[in-house]
Amino acid sequence: EIVLTQSPGTLSLSPGERATLSCGASQSVSSSSLAWYQQKPGQAPRLLIYGASSRATGIPDRFSGSGSGTDFTLTISRLEPEDFAVYYCQQYGISTRTFGQGTKLEIK
Amino acid sequence: EVQLVESGGGLVQPGGSLRLSCAASGITFSSYGMSWVRQAPGKGLEWVSAISGSGGSTYHADSVKGRFTISRDNSKNTLYLQMNSLRAEDTAVYYCAKHPEPRHYYYMDVWGKGTTVTVSS
Repeated sequence: EIVLTQSPGTLSLSPGERATLSCGASQSVSSSSLAWYQQKPGQAPRLLIYGASSRATGIPDRFSGSGSGTDFTLTISRLEPEDFAVYYCQQYGISTRTFGQGTKLEIK
Repeated sequence: EVQLVESGGGLVQPGGSLRLSCAASGITFSSYGMSWVRQAPGKGLEWVSAISGSGGSTYHADSVKGRFTISRDNSKNTLYLQMNSLRAEDTAVYYCAKHPEPRHYYYMDVWGKGTTVTVSS
């Protein structure tokens, strides 16, 4: 099973700042098989990024994804108040599919 | 608009059974793989089970293999999760989620609001 490790566990930033969230894999992941989700309290997750770098429908362009192999990054270029939430990465292979443990993005 | 509405959650004793349902609307249901993802209280996301659009291929996490069964009725636009031999560690919110293609090993582009399962005596 591929283990995804997200860092940091908690990120404290202010609106307007840049956020960089990391997702490391225990084995190489096809870049076409890595997604990012946002989850706010009491809500279902929402797809942000798929294929490591493609934005989902309706996602603002301040969200971007990058990376390959075992290291992937979600960047939020300029934080808006509604961006403070928990973010999960996910890999999806034929025989294994896992989520990272999440990064909580909180207001500083 | 695509909508996924889960139902069937509740309180069940350890060792008991429960069947979750997910009613889909706004899509040609058989064209898409579907999954169940759960989230224990205060914890992260865990992919539980997945099924292809035709229903011919399924996946179950090791944590539920042999106890849970995913199925679908494409004529009723409904996804199911039969949960047997329930344990306290199965307590979670269970989300139904849609894949953008018929295969079930993919990302999820639409999620339901979830249904809560509590396993306790």
